[in-house]
Amino acid sequence: GAVVSQHPSRVICKSGTSVKIECRSLDFQATTMFWYRQFPKKSLMLMATSNEGSKATYEQGVEKDKFLINHASLTLSTLTVTSAHPEDSSFYICSARPSGTVDRGGYTFGSGTRLTVV
Amino acid sequence: SQQGEEDPQALSIQEGENATMNCSYKTSINNLQWYRQNSGRGLVHLILIRSNEREKHSGRLRVTLDTSKKSSSLLITASRAADTASYFCATGTYNAGNMLTFGGGTRLMVKP
Repeated sequence: GAVVSQHPSRVICKSGTSVKIECRSLDFQATTMFWYRQFPKKSLMLMATSNEGSKATYEQGVEKDKFLINHASLTLSTLTVTSAHPEDSSFYICSARPSGTVDRGGYTFGSGTRLTVV
Repeated sequence: SQQGEEDPQALSIQEGENATMNCSYKTSINNLQWYRQNSGRGLVHLILIRSNEREKHSGRLRVTLDTSKKSSSLLITASRAADTASYFCATGTYNAGNMLTFGGGTRLMVKP
């Protein structure tokens, strides 16, 4: 089945530094990937839709200069949290879907990245 | 943005009992999906039900969909301690990117 690998699974960084999170589709191509943020005991909030070869589409309230998304290939999207602050601490999850599988579910999620900014 | 609301937010039952979780949504959908998330982990797709379907089964899972009421339910029968997790519904629409919109989730605890 489709596998999405997300790395790192856990990262601790100092305030003011930048952190890059990778999301890779291992056995399929994904023209579209999604980035979510999840607060403790809360649901997933869509941050942005990552489109291969074009600019990401950000949800309302998400700062695109803060959360830089690059989808340079059909198997890799990256989310960079720039100048991180403690309030950016959260669980970030990516998902991707092989083309033509939307009616069969098909959304595969990465295992998530726990970001802690100290 | 979050479309769905799930009810209850938390549910605690004994092993062997059935667990029912409900999800309501606001806009028209093409499909509704249920996901499971163990603490601090990614999501696992459980089942998808299309807007023209009313009920679907998968093992111990039974999902219903009522588009007139914009609601869905997930029933887990004969629950096991290993079913302890958070369960989310997500609605899918054929808009740009085919993104999912998640409900608030139900935290299920199954006591052995």
